[in-house]
Amino acid sequence: AQSVAQPEDQVNVAEGNPLTVKCTYSVSGNPYLFWYVQYPNRGLQFLLKYITGDNLVKGSYGFEAEFNKSQTSFHLKKPSALVSDSALYFCAFLTGSARQLTFGSGTQLTVLP
Amino acid sequence: DSGVTQTPKHLITATGQRVTLRCSPRSGDLSVYWYQQSLDQGLQFLIHYYNGEERAKGNILERFSAQQFPDLHSELNLSSLELGDSALYFCASSAPLAGAGNEQFFGPGTRLTVL
Repeated sequence: AQSVAQPEDQVNVAEGNPLTVKCTYSVSGNPYLFWYVQYPNRGLQFLLKYITGDNLVKGSYGFEAEFNKSQTSFHLKKPSALVSDSALYFCAFLTGSARQLTFGSGTQLTVLP
Repeated sequence: DSGVTQTPKHLITATGQRVTLRCSPRSGDLSVYWYQQSLDQGLQFLIHYYNGEERAKGNILERFSAQQFPDLHSELNLSSLELGDSALYFCASSAPLAGAGNEQFFGPGTRLTVL
């Protein structure tokens, strides 16, 4: 079955340090990959997507992600983490006739001051 | 603010009861998706409507149903509620163009607690 995996339930990083949230995919064909962020008691917010083209995708709030076909990865990165980046991050891909999102299990990012 | 609205924000009810969750998509969006977020199941797709028609079903229980009305708002009906139905229910909408890769915009969710 097609899926995305987020191997880390929790990532801690110091403020000002670079952050990486990992995602690997097992999707046939050309995957459409997404990152969403969920703040406490809020809905999911779209960060960025990879559809085709440049492997480095830039998104909201200074986040970027690199699509790596050989490693089947789509890791989320930010050069300098902020305490306000602390949230739950989801990797997802589009699938099915409805083009619905299938999500990974989520990674809780904590940025320590 | 995504432009997607959901009511109510919180819902507390008893087992065996029936509830209705409401969603209004972003202006111009014809697609509405419903998702369930729970601790044990994570985020799961339930059902998709496009311009009033059901297009796809995911892991939706037979006790659950949905519809999309002519003004494009959608309702998710949950009946014979069980403790395990306690979860956060999200609605999302996406652009009307039939293109792959349109991002979905999520509402703030309805938190359902079944006692």
